[in-house]
Amino acid sequence: GAVVSQHPSRVICKSGTSVKIECRSLDFQATTMFWYRQFPKKSLMLMATSNEGSKATYEQGVEKDKFLINHASLTLSTLTVTSAHPEDSSFYICSAKLAGGADTQYFGPGTRLTVL
Amino acid sequence: AQSVTQLDSHVSVSEGTPVLLRCNYSSSYSPSLFWYVQHPNKGLQLLLKYTSAATLVKGINGFEAEFKKSETSFHLTKPSAHMSDAAEYFCVVSEYGNKLVFGAGTILRVKS
Repeated sequence: GAVVSQHPSRVICKSGTSVKIECRSLDFQATTMFWYRQFPKKSLMLMATSNEGSKATYEQGVEKDKFLINHASLTLSTLTVTSAHPEDSSFYICSAKLAGGADTQYFGPGTRLTVL
Repeated sequence: AQSVTQLDSHVSVSEGTPVLLRCNYSSSYSPSLFWYVQHPNKGLQLLLKYTSAATLVKGINGFEAEFKKSETSFHLTKPSAHMSDAAEYFCVVSEYGNKLVFGAGTILRVKS
């Protein structure tokens, strides 16, 4: 149980375009989802916390207008990287918490974004 | 504010020998502590979790970790390494609320 999926697993796009990444909790409801970014050979950096039906809370230094997060249902959150640039190339990972559960987060497999 | 220090960026062991990955934490309150494993180009898998119950926590794949409050440590161990254990391991702390704070990671290499 507690499986989280991400789609796509890999995406390559041109500079200036927008890319949407989906995060789904497959077998549980998640009131809270998180988006992380992982740079090569680095640890995970929390970008934002997303609560179903409300605006996401962004970490300091993360541009909310560039990284649009939508959490429209208890099983789906999306991250849209707008006007992507090469420096946005990274591994993006989402996680989800069980509704009413403890603080364990279940992670998706990640999305490798490459901006040319 | 909470923080996590993983004392070794790389650990190399021979197959069949014990594994020790070290983690120290700093927290103002009673923390929840986790170990996650990440295989190349994969997401993170939860190995085990400590939440103020038993101080010795058993996880998946034969891993376990001991919470030592006096030493503010939460080291990960396994009696006998397997080739499939080669991966990157993250020690993570969470206080009340949602936010997880990750250590820098330890890359475990297992030699045949």
